[in-house]
Amino acid sequence: GENVEQHPSTLSVQEGDSAVIKCTYSDSASNYFPWYKQELGKGPQLIIDIRSNVGEKKDQRIAVTLNKTAKHFSLHITETQPEDSAVYFCAARPGGGSNYKLTFGKGTLLTVNP
Amino acid sequence: GAVVSQHPSWVICKSGTSVKIECRSLDFQATTMFWYRQFPKQSLMLMATSNEGSKATYEQGVEKDKFLINHASLTLSTLTVTSAHPEDSSFYICSAPPGQGYNEQFFGPGTRLTVL
Repeated sequence: GENVEQHPSTLSVQEGDSAVIKCTYSDSASNYFPWYKQELGKGPQLIIDIRSNVGEKKDQRIAVTLNKTAKHFSLHITETQPEDSAVYFCAARPGGGSNYKLTFGKGTLLTVNP
Repeated sequence: GAVVSQHPSWVICKSGTSVKIECRSLDFQATTMFWYRQFPKQSLMLMATSNEGSKATYEQGVEKDKFLINHASLTLSTLTVTSAHPEDSSFYICSAPPGQGYNEQFFGPGTRLTVL
């Protein structure tokens, strides 16, 4: 089955700096890679995703890059703000339908210091 | 994005009782829903895949008789924790794709279960 490794487990940055979280996956059949933000006591919120036919996707201050050959993908947050502080999870799954399961990384606790 | 709700948001019960958690898709029909549990400072662990009109598919190690899942309609799946014990205390979260063939999954707000 799929295995997703996520690093770092904790990340502390100053407000305005950039933050990068990296994930690797093992199953070459995986072709959908979402990122979720989870605030304390809440459910995960989808913030950006990428499919394997795309190398990079950007949405305002958030971007995701994918390297299929190396089987890794990264989340980039620029101009970080205190409200970006949360736990971020990467995930991977094979495409082809909605019944396929997501495999999650262990999460990264991001702290943005004012 | 699609909206998924859960009820209750938190519940406290005595050991040995059963607790039902509801997961609803508010603005779309969900033929498939997923149930996860999450321990403090840990990742999401998939418990089962709930399919409308058929039996749920449980992940290895998850007790089917302990965690009963019913997906009776296209907008509602329920998870019943039977004969709950303190070790069942956890954060339970459901998710659903917004339709057939969609890759995205949208999560509910979660239910905090505490078993005394």
